[in-house]
Amino acid sequence: QQQVKQSPQSLIVQKGGISIINCAYENTAFDYFPWYQQFPGKGPALLIAIRPDVSEKKEGRFTISFNKSAKQFSLHIMDSQPGDSATYFCAARKLTGGGNKLTFGTGTQLKVEL
Amino acid sequence: DVKVTQSSRYLVKRTGEKVFLECVQDMDHENMFWYRQDPGLGLRLIYFSYDVKMKEKGDIPEGYSVSREKKERFSLILESASTNQTSMYLCASSLLGTGSRNTEAFFGQGTRLTVV
Repeated sequence: QQQVKQSPQSLIVQKGGISIINCAYENTAFDYFPWYQQFPGKGPALLIAIRPDVSEKKEGRFTISFNKSAKQFSLHIMDSQPGDSATYFCAARKLTGGGNKLTFGTGTQLKVEL
Repeated sequence: DVKVTQSSRYLVKRTGEKVFLECVQDMDHENMFWYRQDPGLGLRLIYFSYDVKMKEKGDIPEGYSVSREKKERFSLILESASTNQTSMYLCASSLLGTGSRNTEAFFGQGTRLTVV
Protein backbone atom coordinates (compact mmCIF):
# COMPACT_ATOMS: atom_id res chain seq x y z
CA GLN A 1 0.00 0.00 0.00
CA GLN A 2 1.68 3.14 -1.26
CA GLN A 3 0.92 6.00 1.11
CA VAL A 4 2.50 8.58 -1.19
CA LYS A 5 1.81 8.10 -4.89
CA GLN A 6 4.20 9.72 -7.35
CA SER A 7 4.03 10.21 -11.12
CA PRO A 8 5.39 9.99 -13.71
CA GLN A 9 7.95 7.24 -13.23
CA SER A 10 10.21 8.86 -15.83
CA LEU A 11 10.33 12.17 -17.61
CA ILE A 12 12.32 13.61 -20.50
CA VAL A 13 12.42 17.39 -20.86
CA GLN A 14 14.28 19.64 -23.25
CA LYS A 15 16.79 22.08 -21.86
CA GLY A 16 15.01 25.26 -20.81
CA GLY A 17 11.67 23.51 -20.42
CA ILE A 18 9.54 22.98 -17.33
CA SER A 19 9.66 19.66 -15.47
CA ILE A 20 6.59 18.76 -13.43
CA ILE A 21 6.36 15.87 -10.99
CA ASN A 22 3.18 15.09 -9.09
CA CYS A 23 2.46 13.41 -5.77
CA ALA A 24 -0.72 12.52 -3.92
CA TYR A 25 -1.35 11.33 -0.38
CA GLU A 26 -4.24 10.02 1.69
CA ASN A 27 -3.23 10.46 5.30
CA THR A 28 -4.16 13.89 6.67
CA ALA A 29 -1.80 13.34 9.61
CA PHE A 30 1.19 14.17 7.39
CA ASP A 31 2.60 17.53 8.50
CA TYR A 32 5.64 18.18 6.32
CA PHE A 33 6.29 17.45 2.64
CA PRO A 34 9.89 17.46 1.39
CA TRP A 35 11.32 16.70 -2.04
CA TYR A 36 14.63 14.89 -2.39
CA GLN A 37 17.05 14.74 -5.32
CA GLN A 38 19.31 11.74 -5.91
CA PHE A 39 22.24 11.49 -8.29
CA PRO A 40 23.65 8.08 -9.29
CA GLY A 41 25.83 6.55 -6.59
CA LYS A 42 24.71 9.05 -3.96
CA GLY A 43 22.14 9.11 -1.21
CA PRO A 44 19.11 11.40 -1.65
CA ALA A 45 19.53 15.02 -0.55
CA LEU A 46 16.87 17.53 0.46
CA LEU A 47 15.89 19.86 -2.36
CA ILE A 48 12.93 21.84 -1.04
CA ALA A 49 10.12 21.30 1.47
CA ILE A 50 6.69 22.70 2.32
CA ARG A 51 4.23 22.62 5.20
CA PRO A 52 0.50 22.04 4.57
CA ASP A 53 -0.49 25.55 5.66
CA VAL A 54 1.35 27.04 2.66
CA SER A 55 0.14 26.73 -0.95
CA GLU A 56 3.41 27.45 -2.71
CA LYS A 57 7.11 27.65 -1.96
CA LYS A 58 9.79 28.76 -4.36
CA GLU A 59 13.55 28.39 -4.13
CA GLY A 60 15.39 29.49 -7.24
CA ARG A 61 14.17 27.42 -10.19
CA PHE A 62 12.35 24.93 -7.92
CA THR A 63 8.73 25.45 -6.80
CA ILE A 64 6.42 23.27 -4.75
CA SER A 65 2.69 23.74 -5.28
CA PHE A 66 0.50 22.32 -2.53
CA ASN A 67 -3.24 21.65 -2.70
CA LYS A 68 -4.41 20.62 0.75
CA SER A 69 -8.04 19.97 -0.19
CA ALA A 70 -7.03 17.67 -3.05
CA LYS A 71 -4.20 16.12 -1.01
CA GLN A 72 -1.79 16.69 -3.86
CA PHE A 73 1.53 18.46 -4.25
CA SER A 74 3.88 18.92 -7.13
CA LEU A 75 7.43 19.95 -7.95
CA HIS A 76 8.05 22.34 -10.82
CA ILE A 77 11.56 22.82 -12.19
CA MET A 78 11.73 25.92 -14.33
CA ASP A 79 14.36 26.39 -17.04
CA SER A 80 15.42 22.74 -16.65
CA GLN A 81 19.14 22.08 -17.13
CA PRO A 82 21.10 18.92 -17.95
CA GLY A 83 22.55 19.11 -14.44
CA ASP A 84 19.02 18.61 -13.09
CA SER A 85 19.02 15.07 -14.52
CA ALA A 86 18.50 12.92 -11.44
CA THR A 87 15.88 10.90 -9.60
CA TYR A 88 13.38 12.94 -7.60
CA PHE A 89 11.40 11.67 -4.63
CA CYS A 90 8.50 13.31 -2.87
CA ALA A 91 7.99 12.43 0.78
CA ALA A 92 5.64 13.01 3.69
CA ARG A 93 6.31 13.11 7.41
CA LYS A 94 4.03 11.94 10.19
CA LEU A 95 4.42 12.05 13.94
CA THR A 96 4.08 8.56 15.35
CA GLY A 97 4.78 7.31 18.84
CA GLY A 98 7.76 9.35 19.93
CA GLY A 99 9.28 9.99 16.52
CA ASN A 100 8.77 10.89 12.89
CA LYS A 101 7.92 8.46 10.12
CA LEU A 102 9.15 9.68 6.75
CA THR A 103 7.45 7.97 3.79
CA PHE A 104 8.67 8.35 0.20
CA GLY A 105 7.07 8.10 -3.20
CA THR A 106 8.34 5.72 -5.86
CA GLY A 107 10.57 8.28 -7.54
CA THR A 108 10.76 10.03 -10.92
CA GLN A 109 13.79 9.66 -13.16
CA LEU A 110 14.28 13.00 -14.89
CA LYS A 111 16.44 13.42 -17.96
CA VAL A 112 17.04 16.88 -19.38
CA GLU A 113 18.21 16.79 -22.97
CA LEU A 114 20.19 19.43 -24.81
CA ASP B 1 29.91 19.01 7.61
CA VAL B 2 27.07 16.71 8.59
CA LYS B 3 27.67 13.06 8.08
CA VAL B 4 25.85 9.75 7.97
CA THR B 5 28.28 6.91 7.46
CA GLN B 6 27.37 3.39 6.44
CA SER B 7 29.99 0.77 7.19
CA SER B 8 30.11 -0.86 3.74
CA ARG B 9 29.44 0.31 0.17
CA TYR B 10 29.20 -3.21 -1.23
CA LEU B 11 28.46 -6.49 0.50
CA VAL B 12 28.00 -10.03 -0.80
CA LYS B 13 26.48 -12.60 1.54
CA ARG B 14 25.22 -16.15 1.24
CA THR B 15 21.62 -17.23 1.69
CA GLY B 16 20.88 -17.99 5.34
CA GLU B 17 23.68 -15.83 6.74
CA LYS B 18 23.01 -13.29 9.47
CA VAL B 19 23.91 -9.87 8.10
CA PHE B 20 24.64 -6.66 10.00
CA LEU B 21 24.50 -3.25 8.34
CA GLU B 22 25.88 -0.45 10.46
CA CYS B 23 25.10 3.27 10.34
CA VAL B 24 26.63 6.11 12.35
CA GLN B 25 25.62 9.78 12.42
CA ASP B 26 27.53 12.66 13.96
CA MET B 27 24.72 15.22 14.21
CA ASP B 28 23.10 14.18 17.52
CA HIS B 29 19.86 13.43 15.67
CA GLU B 30 16.99 11.72 17.45
CA ASN B 31 15.49 10.02 14.40
CA MET B 32 17.28 7.33 12.44
CA PHE B 33 15.86 5.36 9.53
CA TRP B 34 16.61 2.32 7.40
CA TYR B 35 15.24 2.20 3.85
CA ARG B 36 15.71 -0.15 0.97
CA GLN B 37 15.73 1.20 -2.56
CA ASP B 38 14.62 -0.91 -5.51
CA PRO B 39 13.95 0.20 -9.11
CA GLY B 40 10.34 1.24 -9.58
CA LEU B 41 9.56 0.88 -5.88
CA GLY B 42 11.35 3.95 -4.58
CA LEU B 43 12.49 4.16 -0.96
CA ARG B 44 10.63 1.82 1.33
CA LEU B 45 10.91 2.25 5.08
CA ILE B 46 12.04 -0.85 6.97
CA TYR B 47 12.40 0.46 10.53
CA PHE B 48 12.99 3.73 12.28
CA SER B 49 14.06 4.80 15.72
CA TYR B 50 13.56 8.01 17.67
CA ASP B 51 15.65 7.28 20.76
CA VAL B 52 18.09 4.77 22.18
CA LYS B 53 16.44 1.35 22.40
CA MET B 54 13.24 2.72 20.83
CA LYS B 55 12.14 1.46 17.44
CA GLU B 56 9.07 1.35 15.26
CA LYS B 57 8.24 -0.81 12.28
CA GLY B 58 8.13 0.80 8.90
CA ASP B 59 6.25 -0.50 5.89
CA ILE B 60 8.33 -3.62 5.15
CA PRO B 61 9.85 -4.92 8.43
CA GLU B 62 9.49 -8.64 7.69
CA GLY B 63 12.83 -10.44 7.73
CA TYR B 64 14.63 -7.53 9.40
CA SER B 65 15.38 -6.33 12.89
CA VAL B 66 17.21 -3.29 14.23
CA SER B 67 19.28 -2.24 17.18
CA ARG B 68 19.97 1.18 18.64
CA GLU B 69 22.18 0.91 21.71
CA LYS B 70 23.73 4.38 21.31
CA LYS B 71 22.15 7.54 19.95
CA GLU B 72 24.60 7.86 17.08
CA ARG B 73 24.44 4.25 15.87
CA PHE B 74 21.59 2.34 14.21
CA SER B 75 22.08 -1.21 12.98
CA LEU B 76 19.97 -3.19 10.54
CA ILE B 77 20.02 -6.95 10.95
CA LEU B 78 18.96 -9.53 8.38
CA GLU B 79 18.31 -12.56 10.55
CA SER B 80 18.61 -15.08 7.70
CA ALA B 81 19.48 -13.43 4.41
CA SER B 82 17.46 -14.39 1.36
CA THR B 83 17.91 -13.55 -2.31
CA ASN B 84 14.87 -11.26 -2.27
CA GLN B 85 16.74 -9.05 0.18
CA THR B 86 19.27 -8.17 -2.50
CA SER B 87 18.92 -4.39 -2.66
CA MET B 88 20.40 -0.97 -1.95
CA TYR B 89 20.06 -0.12 1.74
CA LEU B 90 20.04 3.51 2.81
CA CYS B 91 20.38 4.86 6.32
CA ALA B 92 19.20 8.36 7.22
CA SER B 93 18.94 10.56 10.28
CA SER B 94 17.04 13.71 11.21
CA LEU B 95 16.12 15.90 14.12
CA LEU B 96 12.80 15.18 15.76
CA GLY B 97 10.20 17.34 14.02
CA THR B 98 6.88 18.55 15.33
CA GLY B 99 4.35 20.87 13.80
CA SER B 100 6.07 23.72 12.07
CA ARG B 101 9.58 22.45 12.66
CA ASN B 102 11.08 21.43 9.34
CA THR B 103 13.50 18.55 9.60
CA GLU B 104 15.90 17.54 6.90
CA ALA B 105 16.81 13.87 6.65
CA PHE B 106 20.47 13.25 5.84
CA PHE B 107 21.31 10.07 4.00
CA GLY B 108 24.35 7.87 3.89
CA GLN B 109 25.87 6.69 0.61
CA GLY B 110 24.07 3.38 0.74
CA THR B 111 25.10 -0.27 0.97
CA ARG B 112 24.60 -2.42 -2.09
CA LEU B 113 23.83 -5.87 -0.65
CA THR B 114 23.84 -8.94 -2.85
CA VAL B 115 22.60 -12.23 -1.41
CA VAL B 116 23.69 -15.28 -3.40
